[in-house]
Amino acid sequence: DTAVSQTPKYLVTQMGNDKSIKCEQNLGHDTMYWYKQDSKKFLKIMFSYNNKELIINETVPNRFSPKSPDKAHLNLHINSLELGDSAVYFCASSQVTARETTYNEQFFGPGTRLTVL
Amino acid sequence: RKEVEQDPGPFNVPEGATVAFNCTYSNSASQSFFWYRQDCRKEPKLLMSVYSSGNEDGRFTAQLNRASQYISLLIRDSKLSDSATYLCVVKGYSSASKIIFGSGTRLSIRP
Repeated sequence: DTAVSQTPKYLVTQMGNDKSIKCEQNLGHDTMYWYKQDSKKFLKIMFSYNNKELIINETVPNRFSPKSPDKAHLNLHINSLELGDSAVYFCASSQVTARETTYNEQFFGPGTRLTVL
Repeated sequence: RKEVEQDPGPFNVPEGATVAFNCTYSNSASQSFFWYRQDCRKEPKLLMSVYSSGNEDGRFTAQLNRASQYISLLIRDSKLSDSATYLCVVKGYSSASKIIFGSGTRLSIRP
């Protein structure tokens, strides 16, 4: 009964390949996120979806495409993988109601360690 | 200047000591502030929110200084289990505002 789950946990692939990472949350939250944590441990937000709609889209290459089939899922598809994409990718979720603008606690998944060779 | 800056450490202190570290932010319009904890090769987890009036949770005290644009975290009577990286998080007012994580401060408690 993991709150936020990601698959796979480890992903090793060749440059140029296309891969997807899946994320699911069973907390009933309305907002989900993707973060990238690089080798220097800097955690940077990539995307945020609220009720299946994109609300934050940081400057990331358009090779990265998030897809939210429903509120409980936010998948990340990466095309033409590059060496620099190697990192740990964290999915997170939180409850951010429309009327409130305060930030509520984010619950993170265990991370997907992507290695591009 | 980075939007959120933290001393990367590591802070290496003996068990039982008191340790404090700060996090500075550049956007004066920032509204929400938090400390997260991240253990090695694990996901970040919320440690505590930081309120304007300051707040305490057991051995942990967080404070906000809006005038100087920094937040602080104080850990008293440190335990071995406090060894982790502490991430500062800053967010603006609206739900679409950027959520910015600091790069973290590494804390190591020695016996």
